[in-house]
Order: sequence, then structure tokens, then C-alpha cells
Amino acid sequence: SYVLTQPPSVSVAPGQTARITCGGNNIGSKSVHWYQQKPGQAPVLVVYDDSDRPSGIPERFSGSNSGNTATLTISRVEAGDEADYYCQVWDSSSDHQVFGGGTKLTVL
Amino acid sequence: EVQLVESGGGLVQPGGSLRLSCAASGFTFSSYWMHWVRQAPGKGLVWVSRINSDGSSTSYADSVKGRFTISRDNAKNTLYLQMNSLRAEDTAVYYCARGGYHSGYDLEPWGQGTLVTVSS
Repeated sequence: SYVLTQPPSVSVAPGQTARITCGGNNIGSKSVHWYQQKPGQAPVLVVYDDSDRPSGIPERFSGSNSGNTATLTISRVEAGDEADYYCQVWDSSSDHQVFGGGTKLTVL
Repeated sequence: EVQLVESGGGLVQPGGSLRLSCAASGFTFSSYWMHWVRQAPGKGLVWVSRINSDGSSTSYADSVKGRFTISRDNAKNTLYLQMNSLRAEDTAVYYCARGGYHSGYDLEPWGQGTLVTVSS
């Protein structure tokens, strides 16, 4: 089965740029979606199809995907961005959705 | 406003059964695939199952295949998850989510979740 690997944690100071990676075999050939989950809340889609943003998501959130790594980039990080972030793809060989293990973003 | 509201969670003994519901509103329910995703306490998101728009096609995670059944009633705008032979490791918050609004396989929005606890 397809596996997505994320770092357990990323820390960044306010105003700096956070980069959260999602590794998978040839993930560049898949569409990657990213979700933000704050404590006690349901996940929210922040990036779809590698780099597109749903309406209402700040332009500070962007994504890229190439080779074996997809990346969620959060520019000018704010305290309110502190949350868990998950990447997700559809694995066509199994017809299963697959999530990464999640990354806890801490704003110092 | 697009909304998904789960219900049916609770405490159940190992080996027992439970049926979760997800009531949809604010969009044409019958046009979208739907998914169940779960999250064990303190753990990450795990996809459970999905159903296509007319209910003719389903898919399940290996961990629940043969025990869980996803279904939908498009006349009632409601998604279901029948869970049988429950195990302690099925304890989790269960979320329903709409699939493919933006593209093929994104999930948006998500419901608020319903907690299932399997314990004696």
C-alpha cells in the first residue's frame, strides 16, 4: 500500500516561513491535498491539487509537488496557524485515500 | 451553507455493532462521492471508506473490510456507516466528508465528528 511520510513536528517563529514536507514514492505523479486541523476541530482543506487554494484560505498558504516530495509552505506565519497538518493522496492501485501521519506546527 | 452533521456514536462493547449517520445539507448530496475518515485519540487521520454518488460503488480500508458497510440514502440526504464486530482499535472520532468538490479526490467539508468508544 502507498505510504506518505511527514515529519512529526515543525517549529517556526512568527513572521517566518514554515515548510512541511510529505514524502511518497513518485508523489509528483499524484495530486496532493493538504488539511489543517486545530485542537478539538474537524480538518479543513487548505490546499488541493498540489497548489490550489479553496476560497477563504489566505494566500500565505501554498503548495508544490515534484519527484518524491510534496511541500506545504506557509509564509508570514501567525500564531493562529499553529495546528496539525496532513497531506493526502488517492492511491489508484488500491482505490484508497491515503493520509500522511501528520505534522504538528508550533509557532514559537 | 454546506453542512455535514454526524450522529450515532457512543459506547459499545467489543463484538458489538453501531450505525453512524451523516446528514448533509446545503448542496446536491446525490451528485457527490462521500467518505468516512476516523481519528483515534491523539492519533492521525485514517481513511475508512467511500461511496460513489449513486451508491453503486464502494471501497474500504483493509482494517475494516468485511466488518463495516457504507451506504447512502439520496432521498434523505444521508450517509451511513454500519459497523459490526467492533474492536477496541476501532475507538475513534468518525468524520464524514464530501469528496471531489474541487477535483477528483479532495475532501471538503468535513463534519464535526462523532465519537465511537469500544470498551467493556
